[in-house]
Amino acid sequence: GAGVSQTPSNKVTEKGKYVELRCDPISGHTALYWYRQSLGQGPEFLIYFQGTGAADDSGLPNDRFFAVRPEGSVSTLKIQRTERGDSAVYLCASSRGQGQPQHFGDGTRLSIL
Amino acid sequence: GDSVTQMEGPVTLSEEAFLTINCTYTATGYPSLFWYVQYPGEGLQLLLKATKADDKGSNKGFEATYRKETTSFHLEKGSVQVSDSAVYFCALSSPGNTPLVFGKGTRLSVIA
Repeated sequence: GAGVSQTPSNKVTEKGKYVELRCDPISGHTALYWYRQSLGQGPEFLIYFQGTGAADDSGLPNDRFFAVRPEGSVSTLKIQRTERGDSAVYLCASSRGQGQPQHFGDGTRLSIL
Repeated sequence: GDSVTQMEGPVTLSEEAFLTINCTYTATGYPSLFWYVQYPGEGLQLLLKATKADDKGSNKGFEATYRKETTSFHLEKGSVQVSDSAVYFCALSSPGNTPLVFGKGTRLSVIA
């Protein structure tokens, strides 16, 4: 069946560049989450959408990070002026709603050179 | 804030050995508790969950019991297999605060 799809699976770019990471959630899932996982660590929360609106963006590390979900389905995480410290696996998850199990995509591995 | 602490790995066991991976948490209120598993080359998968005190989650031979008095949710399996080799993450979700808070993960290697 169709799970959470993330593209690209890998992204390598130079410091200072702009990147966009895409997440296509499971059909019908209204809640969408972005997490970041550094090597040897558990995923850390970045931002949560309920429908089109960001219900909680308290995990975004600074204003270089931004995410949108204009039609309540696909979401894009945008990172401006990338830094080497942004290198990590970016995970997306979706669920039917608050309190429901979250289903994760395979992630995008971002490497900033 | 909310946090999860799980035993550090790696853990190496022989096939058919008993497994325990300890997990304790700090949270306000009564969180839901989860174990997620990440097999090599794959994404995170929900293994089991418990939503209230004394609940036992179970799946694929794994079990974990929500212990409010000790704020723990230890993962156990009576007889591990090589195919159980993976990284295991304990996580919580507090009421009214849906994002998951994860532990650092424990890598399990099972050898034949």
